[in-house]
Amino acid sequence: DIQLTQSPSTLSASVGDRVTITCRASQSVLSRLAWHQQKPGKAPKLLISKASELESGVPFRFSGSEFGTEFTLTISGLQPDDFATYYCQQYNSYPWTFGQGTKVEIK
Amino acid sequence: QVQLRESGPGLVKPSETLSLTCTVSGGSINSSAHYWGWIRQPPGKGLEWVASVYFRGYTYYNPSLKSRVTISLDTSKNQFSLKLASVTAADTAVYFCARGGIVAPFAPWGQGTLVTVSS
Repeated sequence: DIQLTQSPSTLSASVGDRVTITCRASQSVLSRLAWHQQKPGKAPKLLISKASELESGVPFRFSGSEFGTEFTLTISGLQPDDFATYYCQQYNSYPWTFGQGTKVEIK
Repeated sequence: QVQLRESGPGLVKPSETLSLTCTVSGGSINSSAHYWGWIRQPPGKGLEWVASVYFRGYTYYNPSLKSRVTISLDTSKNQFSLKLASVTAADTAVYFCARGGIVAPFAPWGQGTLVTVSS
């Protein structure tokens, strides 16, 4: 199984901050890495697929990058609506797996 | 725009079988373009993929649950279903259905349904 390790587990930030979340895969996922946002009591929402492709309607302050088996989600200019939990997900190899999540909290 | 909605009992007794259905609207599940799956989330914890199915009936299961899980399609109703046998309290979770699974991330997602295993 491909293990996805996210860091940090919790991130405290202020509105306007630039924040970065990292997801490390235990082996190659050939860019088939997605980022999902989940708010309390809601279903996850896909933000980014193929490591860096922004889904339609997702604000441009969200971006994704890839360097080998390390992936990052960056929010440039944190907005109040962005306080949530973020999960990475690989869809390259069975069984499909998620990172453990990163909660972005208000500082 | 494809939408998914889960339905099924919110309470299941230990050792019994959990049964959930996902109704898809705005698109056909009888399509070679997509897979359909179930993901669960225990209270306060992260996401765990459970199972996925393809329109030809090909099925994929999380190895940790494989002996207890069955996923199936009902193309006449545009639905797919999940059965999880011999449940315990550890199976208490919000169960989400979603499109995706192979070479496509999970999206969109249903709203989720909480299933509690308790006597």
